[in-house]
This record gives sequence, structure tokens and C-alpha cells, in this order.
Amino acid sequence: NAGVTQTPKFQVLKTGQSMTLQCAQDMNHEYMSWYRQDPGMGLRLIHYSVGAGITDQGEVPNGYNVSRSTTEDFPLRLLSAAPSQTSVYFCASRTRDTQYFGPGTRLTVL
Amino acid sequence: GESVGLHLPTLSVQEGDNSIINCAYSNSASDYFIWYKQESGKGPQFIIDIRSNMDKRQGQRVTVLLNKTVKHLSLQIAATQPGDSAVYFCAESRSNDYKLSFGAGTTVTVRA
Repeated sequence: NAGVTQTPKFQVLKTGQSMTLQCAQDMNHEYMSWYRQDPGMGLRLIHYSVGAGITDQGEVPNGYNVSRSTTEDFPLRLLSAAPSQTSVYFCASRTRDTQYFGPGTRLTVL
Repeated sequence: GESVGLHLPTLSVQEGDNSIINCAYSNSASDYFIWYKQESGKGPQFIIDIRSNMDKRQGQRVTVLLNKTVKHLSLQIAATQPGDSAVYFCAESRSNDYKLSFGAGTTVTVRA
């Protein structure tokens, strides 16, 4: 049982490039979400999913897309990277009572 | 929008002393609260949670207190250890809504 896994751990992009942050969980959780964490701030919700085929926007969705084709996977796509998207990104999955976070992806956009 | 926040961004504690970390929330509809611990370079880790039908809940060396009247949440850590050095976040949500709103965090430093 690996919990929540994220790849890559680190990534450097140039402005305008696109990429996908991968997230997978092996706990059969229906609910998954993506957060970004900036210095001195708490985690802010980007997108979330309540089950396969269902996604919705969180607090800061602009510039990001998600899809949920399976229960296990919830990738986050940056369509055209901007320096404002430099951040640490956390994927999470949860039951009603407990939320599990992945180890994070540190993204730098130059 | 409404959000959850912490009173102090930093807290320095002597090893062996008790720590108290505070959090104020503004959404009166929130009825589920969680405390997370985040160590450097890692994702947040669940510590303890509490629902609004309770005002106190205890775990191993940790106690969460909830005062709904003044919308205040606190985390008490007994006999603070060096391994307790981390950033602590409170988060809140409402029933039937899996989304969590996080406060900005308190950085706890334990002095030897």
C-alpha cells in the first residue's frame, strides 16, 4: 500500500511550456484533489474530483486542467506555464474522515 | 471569501514544555476541523480532527479544543519534543462537502 504517489518530485519549466503532474492512489478513495502551496500561505485548492469521470474547480483553477478517467489516477495539467505557477503542488485523496497527501512536486517556471 | 486562519505565524517552545497553537475560523457553517503537521520537504500529515458536536478530543500527546461560540480552534501538544518542530495547519470543512480550507500555518520550533 503506497498511499498517494506523485511524480515528478522536481520540475523546471520555461514560460509557455506545458506539462502534466502525475498523481496516483491505491486506497480506492473516491475523492481526490490538487492543492498548491506558496511560501507563507496555506494550501489552496486547485481542482477536485468526487469520483471517476467527475471533476470540479476549486479556489484557484485558472491555468490548470484535470481529468479523472480511473479511481486511481488524477493528473494535473499545466496548459501554458507561467512564473506565477511556481509553487509546490500536493495531491491528496480522502475518505470522509481522513485526508492523505502525496509528497509534493516542486515546480519552478522560468 | 471565508477562510481559516492561525493567530501566530511562529512559535518557539522549550523542549519538554507544552505547546498551544491557535486557529480562528470565520465560517459558522463549518462543522469538521482537522489539524495537520508538515515537516520540511514533505506533504501535510493528519494529526487529529474534531467535529462540531464535540468541544474536546484527545490523541497521543495532542488535544484539540473547539470553541464554536468564538469560532476558535486550538491544538495542544504535551511535552514538546524536537520531532514536533514543523508547520502546523488547521483546516475546516462542512458536512457533505469534502473540500477543505486551510489556514496559513504556524511554524513551531523546539529549543533544546
